Parts: sequence; structure tokens; C-alpha cells
Amino acid sequence: AQRVTQPEKLLSVFKGAPVELKCNYSYSGSPELFWYVQYSRQRLQLLLRHISRESIKGFTADLNKGETSFHLKKPFAQEEDSAMYYCALSPSGGYQKVTFGTGTKLQVIP
Amino acid sequence: EAQVTQNPRYLITVTGKKLTVTCSQNMNHEYMSWYRQDPGLGLRQIYYSMNVEVTDKGDVPEGYKVSRKEKRNFPLILESPSPNQTSLYFCASDPRGTGGSEAFFGQGTRLTVV
Repeated sequence: AQRVTQPEKLLSVFKGAPVELKCNYSYSGSPELFWYVQYSRQRLQLLLRHISRESIKGFTADLNKGETSFHLKKPFAQEEDSAMYYCALSPSGGYQKVTFGTGTKLQVIP
Repeated sequence: EAQVTQNPRYLITVTGKKLTVTCSQNMNHEYMSWYRQDPGLGLRQIYYSMNVEVTDKGDVPEGYKVSRKEKRNFPLILESPSPNQTSLYFCASDPRGTGGSEAFFGQGTRLTVV
């Protein structure tokens, strides 16, 4: 079975401080990992996926297979980063089930 | 404009009265899926579809049905809704498997079953 754990329901940081949103996963095979973001009253959006190795809006995430983690990081938080963030996992290969974590609300304090 | 459209946006119904939530995408994506979002539980996948006439269960399929007769449409059917299906529902399409990188979500359907 595949599982995604986001241990923090709420993370509050000051503007300009570094951000790290934690994501741990459990899956016996080769996973594909994603981060999604949901701004207030907006649709869920794909932020990044590990296979792309992109940096979106200053966020990066590295897949650590040894620690089974996919933490989302940003060196300097901005107020507009305040949102709900979801980590998700899907078995690699494209057309598979997707499992989401319970989400972490990021609050950036001005 | 690339988009995923769900209808209706809001729905209040009574227990046992069959309903359908429609979902349509205009990006020719093969992969589509349905999720429900509940406080404290995040998003949970209900069903997904890899292509026309190909569907499979997600984590919480009980009480739901789907169909994929056309590539663009993926309706969610509740044959006999119950109050525990009160939730916020999202449809999504994704170009996975085709080299694309962006998944699109619908605007959500807030369903209340009384």
C-alpha cells in the first residue's frame, strides 16, 4: 500500500525566513512524487513533480529514497506563499493511483 | 484556454436520490480522476481513468461510480447518496504518460447530502 504523511497541519514562518514543508512516503516500488498548492478560494495547482527537477516560484524538492522523503523548501518565504500544500505519490509509469497527504497550511507572517 | 469544468458547483440533495457530477476537459488528456476533500483528511482519490473505457478504483471508491465513454468527459455518479458523502469534490486531468507536466483541476463541487 502507498501512503503519504505530512506531519505538520500548520506551519507559521516570518516573511524572509526559510521554509521546509515535510513529506514522508511509504511505497515499496519506484514512486513519482508531487507537490500541489491550493491558494485561498482557488483551484488546486500542481507546483512541481520530482521527475521534472524544476524550481517553481522559488520552491524546490528533492526525492530522498533513503529517508523516503520529499520535503518542499524555499530559502526566503513570501507573503504570497501562504496557502495549503499537499504532497502526493503515484507509482511511476504514468497511469496509476494517486495518494495525497493530509496537507500543511503555510502561514507567512509579515 | 486549457480548463477542466465541473458542474454543478454546489448541490444539496436528499439521501438516496441519484445524482451525477459532470467533468469535462479540453486538453485531450488521457488520465482523469476524481477526488474528495474533507477537513483533516486532505484529498483522497475516488476513481481514475487511464483512457476511454478504462477506469480503476482509487482509495475511496465505495458508493461511487464513474464512466469514460469519451476522452473529454468523466462523470461521477452517486447512485444512492448518503450523508457521509457530503464533501468537496474535485475532478482533474493530467497529461501523464505523454511527457506533459501540468495537471489541471476543476473548480470543485460542494455536495451536501441531507
